Amino acid sequence: GAGVSQSPSNKVTEKGKDVELRCDPISGHTALYWYRQSLGQGLEFLIYFQGNSAPDKSGLPSDRFSAERTGGSVSTLTIQRTQQEDSAVYLCASSLAGLTYEQYFGPGTRLTVT
Amino acid sequence: GESVGLHLPTLSVQEGDNSIINCAYSNSASDYFIWYKQESGKGPQFIIDIRSNMDKRQGQRVTVLLNKTVKHLSLQIAATQPGDSAVYFCAENHPYGGATNKLIFGTGTLLAVQP
Repeated sequence: GAGVSQSPSNKVTEKGKDVELRCDPISGHTALYWYRQSLGQGLEFLIYFQGNSAPDKSGLPSDRFSAERTGGSVSTLTIQRTQQEDSAVYLCASSLAGLTYEQYFGPGTRLTVT
Repeated sequence: GESVGLHLPTLSVQEGDNSIINCAYSNSASDYFIWYKQESGKGPQFIIDIRSNMDKRQGQRVTVLLNKTVKHLSLQIAATQPGDSAVYFCAENHPYGGATNKLIFGTGTLLAVQP
C-alpha cells in the first residue's frame, strides 16, 4: 500500500518568506509526527498529533513554526518569516499509536533558505 | 539532560563481516527502543525494535541487544552487504504519563561497507 508522502520534495525560499510543507500519512494511522533533520544530524522532534487530542507542540523551536492536521489526515507544517537556520530536511511520520510505536517515515522535504 | 548517543559516528566494515553499532541512552524510564536505517535522500526506515522487558531480539540478519544495567543498546548485522551502507539511528521512547509516544533519536552512525 501507499506509504507516507510529502510535498514538495525540495523547496528553495528567500529569507523572510513563509513556507508550507505537506504530509499525507498512511491511511488509518491516527498519529502523525513532524521532525527536522539538519545536515549530518539526528532527528529533532517538532510536533505530534494523536487523533482528536491537542497536539504536543513541545518541540517547535519558535512561534514562527506551526502545524495543523485537517480531518485527522493531512498535515501542514508552516514556517513564517523563514531564516537561514531553518534550512533542513523536514520529515513526517505516522503510526498506529496505541497499537505499536513504530513510525513510518516519508521521504522528507528539503528546505533551503537563501 | 536526557539524551541518546552513539559511541561510533562512523563504522567501516568489509563486505561479509558482521557489524556492531552501539548506542547509549540515559533515561532509565524509556520502555521501548527502535533502530532505523536511513539511506541517502530517503526517510528513516524501521529495522527492528525491542521493549524494555526483553534483552535480545532477532530479525532477518539483524539482532538488537539491550543492556538496561548500563543503558546500552546495540545493533548487530550479520554478513554485512553493500546495501547495508547507510546511517543507523537508535531511538528511545519516553513514556510521558502514557499520553504521548515521543521518540528521541540519537545522532546516527554511518556504516560504510567496503567491497
